[in-house]
Parts: sequence; C-alpha cells; structure tokens
Amino acid sequence: DGGITQSPKYLFRKEGQNVTLSCEQNLNHDAMYWYRQDPGQGLRLIYYSQIVNDFQKGDIAEGYSVSREKKESFPLTVTSAQKNPTAFYLCASSIGWVETDSYEQYFGPGTRLTVT
Amino acid sequence: AQTVTQSQPEMSVQEAETVTLSCTYDTSESNYYLFWYKQPPSRQMILVIRQEAYKQQNATENRFSVNFQKAAKSFSLKISDSQLGDTAMYFCAFTRVGNEKLTFGTGTRLTIIP
Repeated sequence: DGGITQSPKYLFRKEGQNVTLSCEQNLNHDAMYWYRQDPGQGLRLIYYSQIVNDFQKGDIAEGYSVSREKKESFPLTVTSAQKNPTAFYLCASSIGWVETDSYEQYFGPGTRLTVT
Repeated sequence: AQTVTQSQPEMSVQEAETVTLSCTYDTSESNYYLFWYKQPPSRQMILVIRQEAYKQQNATENRFSVNFQKAAKSFSLKISDSQLGDTAMYFCAFTRVGNEKLTFGTGTRLTIIP
C-alpha cells in the first residue's frame, strides 16, 4: 500500500535534547512538508522540500532543521533552540505542481511530541 | 499574504441532517485552489474536496459539496445526510497556483449526534 509513515506515534524528551521525527513516503512524490499543529490553531508550515537536496523554510522554521537526502525521506529535527516544542507534528507529500496541475497534499498519521 | 478564516469553532448536528461549514479567505490572486480537509479523532488528515478557482461549477464528492463564491471569497462545505463517521475537525485550506504552500484555517469541530 502506498502512503506516508511517521514514527513514532508518541515521543517523549527532556528539555534541552534534540529529537528527530521520521517521515517516509512511497508515493513517489517530489514534494514533502512538515507542519505543526497546536490546540485551537490550524496547521502551520515548518519546512518544505520540492526536490531532493533542496528545502525551504516555512512560516515557523526557527528551532527546527530538516534534510532531504532521499526522495522518500524527510526527517525533522526539533532542536533545543525551539522554545515550545510540545505539539503534534504532521508530515505531508504532494506530486509537485511543476509536473502536474495538482496541489493536493497527503498526510501521514502524525507524531505527538512531548518535551518536559 | 493569504489568510483563511473559519468563524465557527464548533458545530453539532443530528445524524442524517445537513450541515454547512463556513470558510472565507483573503487573497489578491486570481488563480488558486481551495481544499477542505477532515481530521477525525485518529488525527489523520484526509482530503475531502478541492475546488479550482477558475472553475465556476461547484465541486461535489458524494455527500460533500461546496458553495464557492469567488467574488465574496467564500468557500463553504455542505455535508448532506450526515453520518457518525463525519465527526471530526474540518480545515479549510488555500494555495495559489505556482505555490505549493497551503494556508490553513483554524478549523471547525463538527460533532454528529446520534
């Protein structure tokens, strides 16, 4: 089955530690995204990547870092510089509008990160 | 910058009834796409329906349809014959053509009452 996987579902860390969230897709999509979701707010874009070895900051990139070494993978590192890291993190992918007139994004199941 | 506003934080409706969720957006673009996503208690985001701004016909997917009013910058979602499985958060989202970034509203929590 094609889809997007995120692991783990729940993640707990101590304050001051970096943590990496995994996102893998087997949809052969070019573009991948990371969003943060907080209660009472919509999804906010952290980083996105339209192609391997390239990525751009979203609206709330401070305290986060990403890499895109493979088309299938787009891990997100939450660094100790992120002041309020506890949140629900969603990864998404899309075919890429350059190749097709398609803008739908497909989402993974999410990772709930709790930092204490 | 584009903004998306969902003015109904919560709604509830009896099973089998029809419900309409509101969404307004602000943009100076003329060519764009609009989406409704559903997030059930599992928190998996699911695409419900999409609308291309250049199309005058309102999109429909089974029990889900939209009322797209481009001049008013309004994009409401109508759910007919509501079912218990429709209970979820619903997010309206916008993207302009040539930009892969989605802008989301704050969501409407919909509860279907048995």
